[in-house]
Amino acid sequence: QSVLTQPPSVSAAPGQKVTISCSGSSSNIGDNYVSWYQQLPGTAPKLLIYENNKRPSGIPDRFSGSKSGTSGTGTLGITGLQTGDEAEYYCGTWDNILSAVVFGGGTKLTVL
Amino acid sequence: QVQLQESGPGLVKPSQTLSLTCAVSGDSMSSGGYSWSWIRQPPGKGLEWIGYIYYSGITHYKPSLKSRLSISVDTSKNQFSLNLSSVTAADTAVYYCARGGVRVVDEFDYWGRGTLVTVSS
Repeated sequence: QSVLTQPPSVSAAPGQKVTISCSGSSSNIGDNYVSWYQQLPGTAPKLLIYENNKRPSGIPDRFSGSKSGTSGTGTLGITGLQTGDEAEYYCGTWDNILSAVVFGGGTKLTVL
Repeated sequence: QVQLQESGPGLVKPSQTLSLTCAVSGDSMSSGGYSWSWIRQPPGKGLEWIGYIYYSGITHYKPSLKSRLSISVDTSKNQFSLNLSSVTAADTAVYYCARGGVRVVDEFDYWGRGTLVTVSS
């Protein structure tokens, strides 16, 4: 069971928008930055969002991130969905109590 | 362009030591601007962080693995290594090496392709 909780799956039609939540606590998301990763089948994860809402160069602005203050919830948003966005998405952060990097269990995005 | 490449045996016997190396190119580890992590993913499951090392040799391990784990760095070869002892079938996974921040260590901007390690007799 993961320290960070993500919905197992989400789906939406091409062109639509989807959000993926990542729920933690005050010892992890509530006190640290959240990052998001995209893992296409058979490949290594790819950094999509860092420091809650920043995009590395080359990541389109269709991808966005946010964090709800100190409540311990991060959210990944994807607009203009494409079939190529079908992948597993993971959130990650540092946990002050566990003294470790922790990840969510992953969310499988299906673009119908 | 920064590239990371894992290497090591794909099959390890139970109770033995799993050893992997990550070769870094396109960036000098001794520049000191990053942390270097190992992350694994059991087949069909999620990501699990194992530990990180700085070029200085300072390490931080996942507490539940600490007793079996050793990560080292060879700055002359621009690579870092993982040793995990007393392995069991539960250690079967794709092992990734990744570059993280020096302060925010969990922001992994470059990853290796991963190498599958199977623990089996």
